[in-house]
Amino acid sequence: EPEVTQTPSHQVTQMGQEVILRCVPISNHLYFYWYRQILGQKVEFLVSFYNNEISEKSEIFDDQFSVERPDGSNFTLKIRSTKLEDSAMYFCAVPPKGVGTDTQYFGPGTRLTVL
Amino acid sequence: RKEVEQDPGPFNVPEGATVAFNCTYSNSASQSFFWYRQDCRKEPKLLMSVYSSGNEDGRFTAQLNRASQYISLLIRDSKLSDSATYLCVVNDIGKLIFGQGTTLQVKP
Repeated sequence: EPEVTQTPSHQVTQMGQEVILRCVPISNHLYFYWYRQILGQKVEFLVSFYNNEISEKSEIFDDQFSVERPDGSNFTLKIRSTKLEDSAMYFCAVPPKGVGTDTQYFGPGTRLTVL
Repeated sequence: RKEVEQDPGPFNVPEGATVAFNCTYSNSASQSFFWYRQDCRKEPKLLMSVYSSGNEDGRFTAQLNRASQYISLLIRDSKLSDSATYLCVVNDIGKLIFGQGTTLQVKP
């Protein structure tokens, strides 16, 4: 059973529009991570979120991006004004619960297409 | 120098073959290492963690050489279902750093 699910599975939007991608954990997690993967490229870290605060963000995560946990369970990634180069797969990830490991489990991803 | 470097391949092998992938990482302070598998347009899935002593999970064997900052994955008796991209991953104080992946295609 997956640790997280993500919605929507595919989002098509016009350049300049705002999009919100959602990550829904199966059980309570304190740590969340967002990654993106542009088609044909490697998976890249965007941001980590711990206890309702950003703990680290990459250079990619500029002012157009924001994350929040609006209702204490779902975890959202917002892109304020999308650009063509934001087209990518966006993955949410969480560490496994109750296991002493530094790994992360990934959600199925949202494919964002900016036209 | 890239943080995590892999040969992108593709590696085309027949069923039953043994294939090895290699990876190097740049941060000597890294402590945790993993191999993930990614199928086309799907999420990365953890294949196995990599320990200094080496570890095996069925047909898969992972090795870590800290002195050389080198990680390897060996797949024995390849199956058609092993066809995928194999991602070398290093944990950097919480966040995961990915290599670009090595593509494996197992042919009948």
